[in-house]
Amino acid sequence: SQTIHQWPATLVQPVGSPLSLECTVEGTSNPNLYWYRQAAGRGLQLLFYSVGIGQISSEVPQNLSASRPQDRQFILSSKKLLLSDSGFYLCAWSTVMNTEAFFGQGTRLTVV
Amino acid sequence: GENVEQHPSTLSVQEGDSAVIKCTYSDSASNYFPWYKQELGKRPQLIIDIRSNVGEKKDQRIAVTLNKTAKHFSLHITETQPEDSAVYFCAASSRRALTFGSGTRLQVQP
Repeated sequence: SQTIHQWPATLVQPVGSPLSLECTVEGTSNPNLYWYRQAAGRGLQLLFYSVGIGQISSEVPQNLSASRPQDRQFILSSKKLLLSDSGFYLCAWSTVMNTEAFFGQGTRLTVV
Repeated sequence: GENVEQHPSTLSVQEGDSAVIKCTYSDSASNYFPWYKQELGKRPQLIIDIRSNVGEKKDQRIAVTLNKTAKHFSLHITETQPEDSAVYFCAASSRRALTFGSGTRLQVQP
């Protein structure tokens, strides 16, 4: 069966520090991968999605970037964190577009 | 791109009553409409979904209806129970990733 791993679960980082969140999927090949952000009490905002290795689509201009160095690995990064980057970050995968997306456990990031 | 509006933002019902959450979407090419439930501090999980070739789908106490012409879809929960309390998200998908609504916090009062 397929599983998705996302880490760390919580993270407290100072303003101006770098960020690296990692997500891996097991049990499937060539998944579509997504990064969403959820601000406190808000909806799920799509940040990036990827349909294959090295293929990244960015949805909103921001202080973040994403990379997909391997088929089942998706990384969210920042060179310098801002206070506004705080939130709940969720990685997700699906087999193709227009199907159910399965979410990782999420990373609660607090920038101080 | 796609824009999904969701109402209400909060909903409080008595146990045993019905709850209805409504969403509208903007992209007429959208053809997949899932609903997710998110409990506090947890990941969103799919509870029901519908495709554009179907008008209604039911799964026990949960049903979803879709009106393609009006571009809106709704979640109906009957005989609500305290464990239904959570945040519910609608979403729409067309040419790219799922676009989510802003969420509805449902509180079922015992």
